[in-house]
Amino acid sequence: GQNIDQPTEMTATEGAIVQINCTYQTSGFNGLFWYQQHAGEAPTFLSYNVLDGLEEKGRFSSFLSRSKGYSYLLLKELQMKDSASYLCAVRDGEAAGNKLTFGGGTRVLVKP
Amino acid sequence: NAGVMQNPRHLVRRRGQEARLRCSPVKGHSHVYWYRQLPEEGLKFMVYLQKENIIDESGMPKERFSAEFPKEGPSILRIQQVVRGDSAAYFCASSPSGRGTEAFFGQGTRLTVV
Repeated sequence: GQNIDQPTEMTATEGAIVQINCTYQTSGFNGLFWYQQHAGEAPTFLSYNVLDGLEEKGRFSSFLSRSKGYSYLLLKELQMKDSASYLCAVRDGEAAGNKLTFGGGTRVLVKP
Repeated sequence: NAGVMQNPRHLVRRRGQEARLRCSPVKGHSHVYWYRQLPEEGLKFMVYLQKENIIDESGMPKERFSAEFPKEGPSILRIQQVVRGDSAAYFCASSPSGRGTEAFFGQGTRLTVV
């Protein structure tokens, strides 16, 4: 099975940087995903890491260390519209169906 | 190029009734996943289907819940004799092979049991 932990809530100021950590213990691993979810809406894909290191995509970056079971999502130059929940998800190996197991989500509140 | 389509978006049922939730995957995608999200919680895996086959239903309650993905038509998640605790958002995701770099989520069906 999978166990995924991330903070419940974070608050940051517009224009600042926020780092959302995610730790996982898994019996299989085939990639780590970050999704953004606004209240009442569907999750939207942000990033995917399967190898160690940093993936940068505009204002969002995601880092993975497989040996430590650790990832973070970095949001730079925060905007008010970034207020949302951020979901960390680990994908099982192919033998287990490649399904995603989600953490509980981190609610980020951006203040002016 | 339509994304994952779920309907209805909102569904209200009285206790004891049946709820049917539909999911049409992205065209060409043969892998469908259903997730449930309770208020203020993360998504919980329910079931993984490929065309005409249930691959993994380990997250789906054994009683009252069933899912199918027929050769033609959408995937259906069926909940019989609904109870208040079934009130949640149900999301469907599809992928072309299960090995892609992302799964595409539908807008979800919000089920309210009164």
